[in-house]
Amino acid sequence: ETGVTQTPRHLVMGMTNKKSLKCEQHLGHNAMYWYKQSAKKPLELMFVYNFKEQTENNSVPSRFSPECPNSSHLFLHLHTLQPEDSALYLCASSPTGEDTQYFGPGTRLTVL
Amino acid sequence: GESVGLHLPTLSVQEGDNSIINCAYSNSASDYFIWYKQESGKGPQFIIDIRSNMDKRQGQRVTVLLNKTVKHLSLQIAATQPGDSAVYFCAENRGNNNDMRFGAGTRLTVKP
Repeated sequence: ETGVTQTPRHLVMGMTNKKSLKCEQHLGHNAMYWYKQSAKKPLELMFVYNFKEQTENNSVPSRFSPECPNSSHLFLHLHTLQPEDSALYLCASSPTGEDTQYFGPGTRLTVL
Repeated sequence: GESVGLHLPTLSVQEGDNSIINCAYSNSASDYFIWYKQESGKGPQFIIDIRSNMDKRQGQRVTVLLNKTVKHLSLQIAATQPGDSAVYFCAENRGNNNDMRFGAGTRLTVKP
């Protein structure tokens, strides 16, 4: 148990659906991250939030929309996704100014 | 056994043997490195880290070696056990806060 939880663990959606992924951390960290993990590829950083402010958007298509209402919660809103967006979406958190990131279990997303 | 990380993504060892997993990094300005373990269906789990002012760091059954001259990082696992079977990947911090870059990983399989 790393203190970072993600829901749902599995999600299947059509290309016209709207869904949201949720991440919650219980570690008191101030930075949160969204990563995409595809088969046989390195982790791809998508978004970074520090103290609820987005500090990085790594050229992510607008069909992915993050939201960070507070330092403990992070959402990823999904709309009009493509089959190639199917992947494991990982959330992580870290203390601001420190480097070690702690990951949640991920949401396995399948876009039909 | 020995792996060259991104170039040889699988490593198979006998239970009880020592494992060595290698990683090459590209940025000479990177000053912090982490090894993560990812088991099937789970998020990456922190194993051990090392800063650039060190050459070696030991944990419980694991040792990380850093060679800054050739920009090479390795993870040694002593007396490998079946529970060590997972994908291992390294991450480097490129000197900017929250800017971690991850390798694609090496899949370690432990044969009984």
